[in-house]
Amino acid sequence: DAMVIQNPRYQVTQFGKPVTLSCSQTLNHNVMYWYQQKSSQAPKLLFHYYDKDFNNEADTPDNFQSRRPNTSFCFLDIRSPGLGDAAMYLCATSRDWGGNEQYFGPGTRLTVT
Amino acid sequence: KQEVTQIPAALSVPEGENLVLNCSFTDSAIYNLQWFRQDPGKGLTSLLLIQSSQREQTSGRLNASLDKSSGRSTLYIAASQPGDSATYLCASQTSGSRLTFGEGTQLTVNP
Repeated sequence: DAMVIQNPRYQVTQFGKPVTLSCSQTLNHNVMYWYQQKSSQAPKLLFHYYDKDFNNEADTPDNFQSRRPNTSFCFLDIRSPGLGDAAMYLCATSRDWGGNEQYFGPGTRLTVT
Repeated sequence: KQEVTQIPAALSVPEGENLVLNCSFTDSAIYNLQWFRQDPGKGLTSLLLIQSSQREQTSGRLNASLDKSSGRSTLYIAASQPGDSATYLCASQTSGSRLTFGEGTQLTVNP
């Protein structure tokens, strides 16, 4: 039944140690998104893929990278996590670009020690 | 740049009460407006999506309305229950598929 799956659900990493978060989808949607949500704040879009085309938001730090090896999977890489990167990371998909409903995964809670 | 504001930030009501959550946005050129529920430490659950051409959507005890011209949306919850306790987020979709979220209304329904 699960449509957007995120692994792991909880991730603890050390300051400066690279970490990768995973998202997969069974919807065969063209667009995949990564949002960052810090405690008690609104989710903020980091980047999205339309198929294999990568689109970075202007204010997304260079420390954040993403890969989409195929339609089903998308990864978020944080090269050198800082304490300020502790957050909930939400993956979402939509069938197409422009006015389509977005479907969210359960999120990955990242803790940086 | 789209800005989305939700009022109130927190709301506490007794069980059974009807309530309204408010959402306002600055750019009326939206594709749609979506309401989400978020339980503590969890992801987002989509509740209702209103396309820009629609005025309202209903699902069970939930009713969401949209007034593009005034930049407002409301989420009406009828006969609230303790299980409705959560944070409710609204998000407008503009400029392609970007969702701009409000910071949410934290709802507590007391038994």
